[in-house]
Amino acid sequence: DVKVTQSSRYLVKRTGEKVFLECVQDMDHENMFWYRQDPGLGLRLIYFSYDVKMKEKGDIPEGYSVSREKKERFSLILESASTNQTSMYLCASGAPSGYGYTFGSGTRLTVV
Amino acid sequence: AQSVSQHNHHVILSEAASLELGCNYSYGGTVNLFWYVQYPGQHLQLLLKYFSGDPLVKGIKGFEAEFIKSKFSFNLRKPSVQWSDTAEYFCAVTEDYKLSFGAGTTVTVRA
Repeated sequence: DVKVTQSSRYLVKRTGEKVFLECVQDMDHENMFWYRQDPGLGLRLIYFSYDVKMKEKGDIPEGYSVSREKKERFSLILESASTNQTSMYLCASGAPSGYGYTFGSGTRLTVV
Repeated sequence: AQSVSQHNHHVILSEAASLELGCNYSYGGTVNLFWYVQYPGQHLQLLLKYFSGDPLVKGIKGFEAEFIKSKFSFNLRKPSVQWSDTAEYFCAVTEDYKLSFGAGTTVTVRA
């Protein structure tokens, strides 16, 4: 089974802090994604990457950046955390053919 | 930009009732289509997917979905739901590399 591992299940950070969310996949997938999940809004795409060092903005990239230095790892960075970034963050990976995507368990981030 | 619309925000039904959840997308090119389910406290799981071929797709747990290209729709169905089908259901569509989701439909099945 494909495994997508997010480094933290719960995280509490202070306003203005720089926050790193890490995601690692073990199936050599080219595509990786970061979403945030909020009640009533579904999953909104923040950034995605289709190759090492390649990244594309999703629908809500403001306030976020990403890094993909190695194929298996895709990091989401909140440059200066704000309370409106309190959310559940989900990472996913998949192959270019799109034959299904696998999700991590999520990181619930609270910014206080 | 790709958009995915799920018509119902919350559906409540009794066990053994039939379920149909609507999903429409806006992209006119070649798409791959998915339904995911998220049970309370659990991560997203793939229910079924469509890439090509037979537009009626069968998935896990008795779910099926029908792709109607002319209507840009990919509706999910289950003939007889169980209490354990209580969950949130998400329709998703890929356009090139980008995977976009609808807002989700919460399904509550009453015993």
